[in-house]
Amino acid sequence: EVHLVESGGGLVQPGGSLRLSCAASGFTFSDYYMDWVRQAPGKGLEWVGRIRNKANGYTTEYAASVKGRFTISRDDSKNTVFLQMNSLETEDTAVYYCVRGNNGFDFWGQGTIVIVSS
Amino acid sequence: EIVMTQSPVTLSVSPGERVTLSCRASQSVRSFLGWYQQRPGQAPRLLIYGDSTRATGIPARFSGSGFGTDFTLTISSLQSEDFAVYYCQQYDNWPFTFGPGTTVEIK
Repeated sequence: EVHLVESGGGLVQPGGSLRLSCAASGFTFSDYYMDWVRQAPGKGLEWVGRIRNKANGYTTEYAASVKGRFTISRDDSKNTVFLQMNSLETEDTAVYYCVRGNNGFDFWGQGTIVIVSS
Repeated sequence: EIVMTQSPVTLSVSPGERVTLSCRASQSVRSFLGWYQQRPGQAPRLLIYGDSTRATGIPARFSGSGFGTDFTLTISSLQSEDFAVYYCQQYDNWPFTFGPGTTVEIK
């Protein structure tokens, strides 16, 4: 059974940094692209970014709203994907979901909450 | 950026009714369209991908259709657990984009 478990969320001041992790299990992690999707309080879903697998060079894509501030990486030896968030803004406050990027987004974690506030 | 729109915004229905939700893309996304259900307090889950293929474990009462710019999600007979928000999403072009969602509520 596929499991995605996010961690690392919390309260951070504007301008600060936070690193989210997502531990995957139940599938061959190294074969798949992984994405991050966020949802601001009471709002809809926003795709944040993607990291491809080794066969595709671990290349990344980002939404314009986070490009240059957020970085996605992965450690296939630990079945983990990361989201490094720098220069955080109040508008980044959201639940962040780790998602398997297959046929759309076929499996989702339960999310971790990030609050950017002074 | 491809803009996704959904209609209606809210749908009030009774259990057992047939429900049809619409999704439109601002330009063609071919068949790279997914539908997601989000129940209150839960993560979204994939219902339909490739515009008409049910994801693993999704009941047969859910079906999808469409191609290009116009898509439909149909729930043949609404069950109590189906009251939720439904999002469509295109994954044909960067950035991937979601529609604003349709809330299916109890009438």
